[in-house]
Amino acid sequence: QVQLQESGPGLVKPSQTLSLTCTVSGGSISNTIYYWTWLRQPAGKGLEWIGRVSTTGITNYNPALKSRLIVSIDTSKGQFSLSLSSVTAEDTAVYYCASWVIGARYFDHWGQGNLVTVSS
Amino acid sequence: DIQMTQSPSSLSASVGDRVTITCRASQSISTYLNWYQQRPGKAPKLLISAASSLQSGVPGRFSGSGSGTDFSLTITSLQLEDFATYSCQQSYNTPLTFGQGTRLEI
Repeated sequence: QVQLQESGPGLVKPSQTLSLTCTVSGGSISNTIYYWTWLRQPAGKGLEWIGRVSTTGITNYNPALKSRLIVSIDTSKGQFSLSLSSVTAEDTAVYYCASWVIGARYFDHWGQGNLVTVSS
Repeated sequence: DIQMTQSPSSLSASVGDRVTITCRASQSISTYLNWYQQRPGKAPKLLISAASSLQSGVPGRFSGSGSGTDFSLTITSLQLEDFATYSCQQSYNTPLTFGQGTRLEI
């Protein structure tokens, strides 16, 4: 059973870079049935798809965030990461990592979520 | 981007009731539509994929229907554990988008 765990700071200052890592366990991050994905959810609002990375490092980003976003993968560590630059209060949210099943087109496993607050 | 609009935003019901939540896409997405359940402070859980395919382990009182732009999630005979927030998500193209969620309350 694949398990995902987000890690990273809970507080980031405005204009700085938000960095999170997702560790995959119970299965291989090199499993080609998956895209490894980041999503976020501001308090009381719906989920927003941020972007994803394939096992070979190919990325797809939400155009609304693309200019500030880098998603990467380190298969040797079983991890993938998110870097979002120039953050503002609007980036305050619970950030989730999840596995997207490419053929079936759904998210089957999720991390527990990491609340990130942007504040000075 | 494909906009997903759910209605209602919140819904009050009682144990044993039957409820229906609707989701409308801003363009046709065939049956590329998933439904998730989310309890407070928890990650979403997949209930239904491809508009009507019930995931393994999900109770049969949950069902989904629809195609094109209009979809629905129906829960028959509500149980206490069903009171949660339900979200639809289109898997037709990127950026993947979600509805704003429907909060099902007692």
